[in-house]
Amino acid sequence: EPEVTQTPSHQVTQMGQEVILRCVPISNHLYFYWYRQILGQKVEFLVSFYNNEISEKSEIFDDQFSVERPDGSNFTLKIRSTKLEDSAMYFCASSAGGAGANVLTFGAGSRLTVL
Amino acid sequence: GEDVEQSLFLSVREGDSSVINCTYTDSSSTYLYWYKQEPGAGLQLLTYIFSNMDMKQDQRLTVLLNKKDKHLSLRIADTQTGDSAIYFCAEKRWDTNAGKSTFGDGTTLTVKP
Repeated sequence: EPEVTQTPSHQVTQMGQEVILRCVPISNHLYFYWYRQILGQKVEFLVSFYNNEISEKSEIFDDQFSVERPDGSNFTLKIRSTKLEDSAMYFCASSAGGAGANVLTFGAGSRLTVL
Repeated sequence: GEDVEQSLFLSVREGDSSVINCTYTDSSSTYLYWYKQEPGAGLQLLTYIFSNMDMKQDQRLTVLLNKKDKHLSLRIADTQTGDSAIYFCAEKRWDTNAGKSTFGDGTTLTVKP
């Protein structure tokens, strides 16, 4: 079964540092997403990406965040200057085109701990 | 705005049926999803239902949708200890980006042997 792969599984960083979380979506998928889940809270939508540009983003996705698909396979989330409140599990997801666009496959997540 | 509510905990005995309930507020939801999250793992899509359907069955899973009351339920027949996990209900509006779903808080299902 095809899967979405995320690295690292856990990253610990100091406040103010830049972090890049990486994702390899399913190869023939066209839509890519990042969600986050702060410990004990809801899963929250951050951003969606299609055709090499952001198609929608939430109010959480401020100027500290950016996404990129640098090489046609990886999909990255960069947090420019991490804050304590960025500590969360970050999930990447992808979906196919057409009718499959509404069915997301999630990765196992990257846990970010900001000290 | 959209809001999705679930009860936080459910405990059942192995072999019993589990029913996890969810309510949502947005009447323009088109897709309603159930995800399973095991400890330390990602979100696994279990099943989903279109808002023009009342019921969907998939092996041990039955999803019931009451559109009038905006109530969604997930029934797991013959619950096993491996079903212990957090179950998230999520909904998507018809006019939003395909992946922009609103999630509930999750229901922690504990299955006792």
